[in-house]
Amino acid sequence: ETGVTQTPRHLVMGMTNKKSLKCEQHLGHNAMYWYKQSAKKPLELMFVYNFKEQTENNSVPSRFSPECPNSSHLFLHLHTLQPEDSALYLCASSQDLDLLGASTDTQYFGPGTRLTVL
Amino acid sequence: QKEVEQNSGPLSVPEGAIASLNCTYSDRGSQSFFWYRQYSGKSPELIMFIYSNGDKEDGRFTAQLNKASQYVSLLIRDSQPSDSATYLCAVNYGQNFVFGPGTRLSVLP
Repeated sequence: ETGVTQTPRHLVMGMTNKKSLKCEQHLGHNAMYWYKQSAKKPLELMFVYNFKEQTENNSVPSRFSPECPNSSHLFLHLHTLQPEDSALYLCASSQDLDLLGASTDTQYFGPGTRLTVL
Repeated sequence: QKEVEQNSGPLSVPEGAIASLNCTYSDRGSQSFFWYRQYSGKSPELIMFIYSNGDKEDGRFTAQLNKASQYVSLLIRDSQPSDSATYLCAVNYGQNFVFGPGTRLSVLP
């Protein structure tokens, strides 16, 4: 088990539901990330937070809404999702971003949330 | 468009052989390169990272970086069946951390 935890591990939701994914890191890191991993596709970076501030949003649809209340916790709020949003959602953390906002540190991943949208 | 490319495989090698995994990337400005291993149904776990041209060795693993050719590789010596997994190459582009599609490695006993 890594220093990054995610809950729930599995989630099934309807297209009209609202749910939230939670991520917590116990590594003292300052940067946190949300990734989406679909079958047969590379990991896709969704959001980056550094010191609780969002620094990257890779053109993610507004039905995904991140929240970072502090450097240890990261949420992904979900509403009116589509079946094609079914995927493994991974949270990761790293020590920091550099002065140019580059992620050069090792990223440590949580176990992921397997999301199924019906 | 920042891209990281890998042969999807599967790459099959016999137990005890050397497995060679390759990755190319499109942006010469990249500074950090990572290899992750992902077992089926599990999250990626870091194997190695490399920042400088040349080789970097860690146990049975050697990462090789050639920035001029925009090429990074991972060699696994004395491959074991437990090495069977998907290997992801990751490259940093500023704030973005781009992963390749992964190469599936199968080590045959």
